[in-house]
Amino acid sequence: SQTIHQWPATLVQPVGSPLSLECTVEGTSNPNLYWYRQAAGRGLQLLFYSVGIGQISSEVPQNLSASRPQDRQFILSSKKLLLSDSGFYLCAAVAGGPTGELFFGEGSRLTVL
Amino acid sequence: GQQVMQIPQYQHVQEGEDFTTYCNSSTTLSNIQWYKQRPGGHPVFLIQLVKSGEVKKQKRLTFQFGEAKKNSSLHITATQTTDVGTYFCAGPMAQKLVFGQGTRLTINP
Repeated sequence: SQTIHQWPATLVQPVGSPLSLECTVEGTSNPNLYWYRQAAGRGLQLLFYSVGIGQISSEVPQNLSASRPQDRQFILSSKKLLLSDSGFYLCAAVAGGPTGELFFGEGSRLTVL
Repeated sequence: GQQVMQIPQYQHVQEGEDFTTYCNSSTTLSNIQWYKQRPGGHPVFLIQLVKSGEVKKQKRLTFQFGEAKKNSSLHITATQTTDVGTYFCAGPMAQKLVFGQGTRLTINP
């Protein structure tokens, strides 16, 4: 089965600082990869998804960007964080197309002060 | 746009009471998936329903997929404190899995 490694688990960043969250996938090749954000007590907001290396689709206009430099690596970045970027960020992967079971990483909890 | 709506947003029950969450899609789905997120944790896959009218059971959990493949429900019989968490339904739309807003279940022991 798939394993999703996501780091860092927790971080506190000042407003205006850069961000890099990394996610790697084990146990499958050519997965669809996703970044979700979850505000406290809220649902899952899809931020980006990727169906292959270098292919990124953005769901909402925002202060964030994503990259997929390798098949099983997905990175979420920001050049300058905003207070509203605080939240719980989840990387997820599905193999064999978008209709299968989604595996999530443990999540990265970001607090912007 | 394509949406998955889920109700209720919150549900508080006494331990031993039943619980149900409902999910509705704006479009016909090829399948519906259910996930559970424990407090402080990440969502974990519970089950996938594919066939129209399908019903599946996992111990005290019963999952249904509507005849039109646009709605679904999760019913928990005789809740236990281990059932606490947020339950999400999700449906595939294009290359994405679109999640409902989730139902947060809290239980009074």
